[in-house]
Amino acid sequence: GAGVSQSPSNKVTEKGKDVELRCDPISGHTALYWYRQSLGQGLEFLIYFQGNSAPDKSGLPSDRFSAERTGGSVSTLTIQRTQQEDSAVYLCASSLMLAGPYEQYFGPGTRLTVT
Amino acid sequence: KQEVTQIPAALSVPEGENLVLNCSFTDSAIYNLQWFRQDPGKGLTSLLLIQSSQREQTSGRLNASLDKSSGRSTLYIAASQPGDSATYLCAVKSTGTASKLTFGTGTRLQVTL
Repeated sequence: GAGVSQSPSNKVTEKGKDVELRCDPISGHTALYWYRQSLGQGLEFLIYFQGNSAPDKSGLPSDRFSAERTGGSVSTLTIQRTQQEDSAVYLCASSLMLAGPYEQYFGPGTRLTVT
Repeated sequence: KQEVTQIPAALSVPEGENLVLNCSFTDSAIYNLQWFRQDPGKGLTSLLLIQSSQREQTSGRLNASLDKSSGRSTLYIAASQPGDSATYLCAVKSTGTASKLTFGTGTRLQVTL
């Protein structure tokens, strides 16, 4: 079957604009994760979903960031009033279940550039 | 809080050499450890996943070992090739509610002709 897909692959936006990043997980995967990789930085965890629920939003960098998941499938990460420090590659991953030794499968990422 | 460290940060070797990349983690409460490869401007390619109950995994010229009690993993690359040039990341999946991956900062490998 298909792997994790993300869209767009690249996004250039002006400072202050809102952006939406989309993730399509592997079919049947109940857990979904968002990570961010900033230039010169490591990969940092942002948020996870179990089904449509995101119990812990503390990894989101600021209140300009929000995420939702509908139908236990597609997830959208929204960044409002983008800032230059938001420029990064945003990676999505899914796994069969949240807890347990299940592998996380990563999408190709969305490269966000804020000008 | 889980912390993952990778040594060295960068490595340059001539083609044909065998090499070892190191990864250490501070909390042994993990489900598994995964090694990834990342090419410049690209996403993550999973190389090997070792479950906490396992000692090693092999795929082609790659061999990864795990010593959970000491918080260490190594990635051994045999007979390196220029096409192996990339950044190698290790990540541990911690037990707990989120079961998120915690990544090291990577080893940037350059294999020269």
